[in-house]
Amino acid sequence: VQLVESGGGLVQPGGSLRLSCAASGFTFSISWMHWVRQAPGKGLEWVANIKEDGSAKYYVDSVEGRFTISRDNAKNSLYLQMNSLRAEDTAVYFCGRILRGSSGSHWGQGTLVTVSS
Amino acid sequence: DVVMTQSPLSLPVTLGQPASISCRSSQSLVYSDGNTYLNWFQQRPGQSPRRLIYKVSNRDSGVPDRFSGSGSGTDFTLKISRVEAEDVEVYYCMQTTHWPYTFGQGTKLEIK
Repeated sequence: VQLVESGGGLVQPGGSLRLSCAASGFTFSISWMHWVRQAPGKGLEWVANIKEDGSAKYYVDSVEGRFTISRDNAKNSLYLQMNSLRAEDTAVYFCGRILRGSSGSHWGQGTLVTVSS
Repeated sequence: DVVMTQSPLSLPVTLGQPASISCRSSQSLVYSDGNTYLNWFQQRPGQSPRRLIYKVSNRDSGVPDRFSGSGSGTDFTLKISRVEAEDVEVYYCMQTTHWPYTFGQGTKLEIK
């Protein structure tokens, strides 16, 4: 299993960024997928997830209306569109797969998003 | 949102001795299917998290049997039977019963 995030970088407050996650080594199209973030020196925070077919999406309150999670099963890819970025969104963003009821949890190496002027 | 409260936040440990971390949730983590979706993760600074335990007490593949999870309802515990040097990391509980999913604050193991 491999998950590789990309798209992080430095962005000004109010700006936008799109993160991508390329998945391989498992059947992406039948897996719920997640984004989790970790601000510098802080703990883990679950951000969003998306159902296998993209028909259901859930977000933490602090990003609701600003972030959009999506996926392309034909490309085995997960995305996070981040708009109206704030300083408090600065974090390493990890994409991941969590099998809720059985063994299996996999995460990428993370991509750093820095929101600063 | 379900608040996950871990204690202690810092745990001095002696290699070869047991260690225990507590996690309490602000509401029951029993899902409508009867399962309790409480997970434990381990994370080394600068690295991605690794899940150790799912559904309270089930070890993920490849996790050493010195790690065990227990609990029910709102009260959960991660135990390490004999701490090894490689276990000195940060541990998080995480509930995947209620939206939004939530993590505890993290417990940092430190060598005494």
